[in-house]
Amino acid sequence: DGGITQSPKYLFRKEGQNVTLSCEQNLNHDAMYWYRQDPGQGLRLIYYSQIVNDFQKGDIAEGYSVSREKKESFPLTVTSAQKNPTAFYLCASTPGHLNTGELFFGEGSRLTVL
Amino acid sequence: GENVEQHPSTLSVQEGDSAVIKCTYSDSASNYFPWYKQELGKRPQLIIDIRSNVGEKKDQRIAVTLNKTAKHFSLHITETQPEDSAVYFCAASIESEYIFGTGTRLKVLA
Repeated sequence: DGGITQSPKYLFRKEGQNVTLSCEQNLNHDAMYWYRQDPGQGLRLIYYSQIVNDFQKGDIAEGYSVSREKKESFPLTVTSAQKNPTAFYLCASTPGHLNTGELFFGEGSRLTVL
Repeated sequence: GENVEQHPSTLSVQEGDSAVIKCTYSDSASNYFPWYKQELGKRPQLIIDIRSNVGEKKDQRIAVTLNKTAKHFSLHITETQPEDSAVYFCAASIESEYIFGTGTRLKVLA
């Protein structure tokens, strides 16, 4: 069954702790994305990657880090430098940078900082 | 970079009426404009999209129009139904970067 899997679905973190959100896809897509969703602010781009071992900052990259060591995986680390990390995080993928088309989204991870 | 503005932020219509949501973008190089529907607690899903070489596209009750000169595009939903109630997002894409609008919460009143 093809798709994008995000884990965990819910995550609680104490202030000052780093946390890593997982995103895995078996769609053979080249490009992967991380978005943050807050009420009334839509989807804001954190990072995206068009190919393995390469990624670009989005509009709100500060306090976040990513890696793209495998085509299937694009984990997002929320570091202690992120001032307001409580949010809903969505991972997405699309076939390739030469073929702009539909973004396929995962089910999301909701992070709450206590 | 690209900036996308979306209006209105909330929209209430009577069942059977039409709904229109408008978006503007800033980068004339953007060439792909999708619309996503997000129901409460679920992931966004594509409902219709349009490329920069097309002015209008229709799929049953849903249509999208694009005005490249004015850099705006609109979503039109006709004969609205209660199941159309959701949050709708527009986006503009340039070179694999997808920038979203802030969303419109549509309520269809029975």
